[in-house]
Amino acid sequence: NAGVTQTPKFQVLKTGQSMTLQCAQDMNHNSMYWYRQDPGMGLRLIYYSASEGTTDKGEVPNGYNVSRLNKREFSLRLESAAPSQTSVYFCASSEFRVNQPQHFGDGTRLSIL
Amino acid sequence: SQQGEEDPQALSIQEGENATMNCSYKTSINNLQWYRQNSGRGLVHLILIRSNEREKHSGRLRVTLDTSKKSSSLLITASRAADTASYFCATDARYGGATNKLIFGTGTLLAVQP
Repeated sequence: NAGVTQTPKFQVLKTGQSMTLQCAQDMNHNSMYWYRQDPGMGLRLIYYSASEGTTDKGEVPNGYNVSRLNKREFSLRLESAAPSQTSVYFCASSEFRVNQPQHFGDGTRLSIL
Repeated sequence: SQQGEEDPQALSIQEGENATMNCSYKTSINNLQWYRQNSGRGLVHLILIRSNEREKHSGRLRVTLDTSKKSSSLLITASRAADTASYFCATDARYGGATNKLIFGTGTLLAVQP
């Protein structure tokens, strides 16, 4: 049982490049989330999807877009990467409500030069 | 701003000792959760305590919640080297729209020396 799988694990981009972070869960969860984790800042919510077909902004959505492709998959896209987006990105899921226990992937470590 | 703030930021203890971490938050909540994060890994859910509960146990973990003081504590008893990790509290709060979301604190880094 893989849980939440994120790809890639590491990525280095140049300023202005675009890329998509992939996330898939095999727990049949309805809700999925994207967070970024920066030193001293804790986790901050970028976007979330309460159910298939819906997405909503979190605390720090600027510079990102998301797609809930189906119930399993939730992708995060950086259209024009900036050095300020250097961070560790985590995808998570929960069964129904957003305040239920969340299951996390192991993260994507993204550096933007 | 962060809903949850952990204290202390870092804690170093010897194996076998107890470790206590505290979390303070700002607004009314439905529940509070604690998570563990090992270095280079994702967060792992430890325990959830509802706003109408005062104490909850899970194995060597004991969580208390004082809604009047807007604070919670996580106690790890008889600590082991494997407990070395960062610990985060997370509270549900209304952010932006009407849907509650989890807001994470900045974490306590626990080092258990063998």
